[in-house]
Amino acid sequence: DAGVIQSPRHEVTEMGQEVTLRCKPISGHDYLFWYRQTMMRGLELLIYFNNNVPIDDSGMPEDRFSAKMPNASFSTLKIQPSEPRDSAVYFCASSQDTLITPQHFGDGTRLSIL
Amino acid sequence: GENVEQHPSTLSVQEGDSAVIKCTYSDSASNYFPWYKQELGKRPQLIIDIRSNVGEKKDQRIAVTLNKTAKHFSLHITETQPEDSAVYFCAATLSGGSNYKLTFGKGTLLTVNP
Repeated sequence: DAGVIQSPRHEVTEMGQEVTLRCKPISGHDYLFWYRQTMMRGLELLIYFNNNVPIDDSGMPEDRFSAKMPNASFSTLKIQPSEPRDSAVYFCASSQDTLITPQHFGDGTRLSIL
Repeated sequence: GENVEQHPSTLSVQEGDSAVIKCTYSDSASNYFPWYKQELGKRPQLIIDIRSNVGEKKDQRIAVTLNKTAKHFSLHITETQPEDSAVYFCAATLSGGSNYKLTFGKGTLLTVNP
């Protein structure tokens, strides 16, 4: 299996622009997670899906952030409008059939908002 | 909510020595404790995990111990090698019914000096 695939790997854009991050989970995994990693706050869980349904989005920082999972093989995390404080590495991860199984992370998207 | 404290934040050891990283958690209902290794610029990768019904787990040079009463768990790496140098994250997961929380520690930068 190719693992969790994220795109783009790097994104540099100006504040106010819309940013869309993409994720393809491992086939057969029922859970998908979006994380944000910064030096100040560490790894934070933003939202997770079970069978394409958002279960808990309490970690989403603001209404400017939204996430969707239209099918089992694709998810997006969108920021609109983006701000410099959104600069971080965003990871997507997936896991199998329970919440206490290992999560497999993608390579992340390094986002810089100027 | 769950709070995970991780110590130390940095750890430097000589090759061949042992390294110990400790984490404490606040929610006694937490039931799954994974450890991730993250090399610079790369994704977190699971190295070992333990569930709340087990007190210790070992995988070659890596072991994890769990003390549910004291609400702390530790990562032990023996015979350290330079390639063990990375940031290590602990996490505490609470999963039951529709309730799920995953909280990461802030990480420990381990440096193994040859």
